[in-house]
Amino acid sequence: DQQVKQNSPSLSVQEGRISILNCDYTNSMFDYFLWYKKYPAEGPTFLISISSIKDKNEDGRFTVFLNKSAKHLSLHIVPSQPGDSAVYFCAASPQGGSEKLVFGKGTKLTVNP
Amino acid sequence: DARVTQTPRDKVTEMGQEVTMRCQPILGHNTVFWYRQTMMQGLELLAYFRNRAPLDDSGMPKDRFSAEMPDATLATLKIQPSEPRDSAVYFCASGLGTGAGNTEAFFGQGTRLTVV
Repeated sequence: DQQVKQNSPSLSVQEGRISILNCDYTNSMFDYFLWYKKYPAEGPTFLISISSIKDKNEDGRFTVFLNKSAKHLSLHIVPSQPGDSAVYFCAASPQGGSEKLVFGKGTKLTVNP
Repeated sequence: DARVTQTPRDKVTEMGQEVTMRCQPILGHNTVFWYRQTMMQGLELLAYFRNRAPLDDSGMPKDRFSAEMPDATLATLKIQPSEPRDSAVYFCASGLGTGAGNTEAFFGQGTRLTVV
């Protein structure tokens, strides 16, 4: 039973355009959400996070939006660059002080020059 | 440049052999995680430690897997005996946990294990 779902295995966008990566979760106990980026043969790298008390967090070209009622979050990358091509993982951790992260299966983003 | 270091990067072993994977967390981090990545399951948490004490190993097959932290600079994950279904990339990650959650985990480059 996947508690964190990334329903799009892949996404392709043109350089300069917006990339939108989506993530849905089922566990209402999740209260902290993160996005990681992973290049081939490397470990995931933390990108951006958001607490459930917020609905938006921005860091440069990256913005994460959280819709708690829909149990949905998204990562927006604007403008997209070829170097953004990677696999993006959505992750969530539950309330109560646990550091356990539950990951989605990832979305492979390809940004075409 | 602080980073999590994992050894070996690649390991090929025969079924039934013992495998030991090592991890050096980032200096000062008190929380260490072991994750396994497979095509089917994605990234799964196997176990994690805070201040060297195991907090959760519910994701780990107990009969053949064991995870330890002999000291603050070394975490190990052992599989004995190994089986072909254990083939995966094993990631170690570390973070500065406060017990209040919301810990960003910093990942190593992983150990690619192939059991033949």
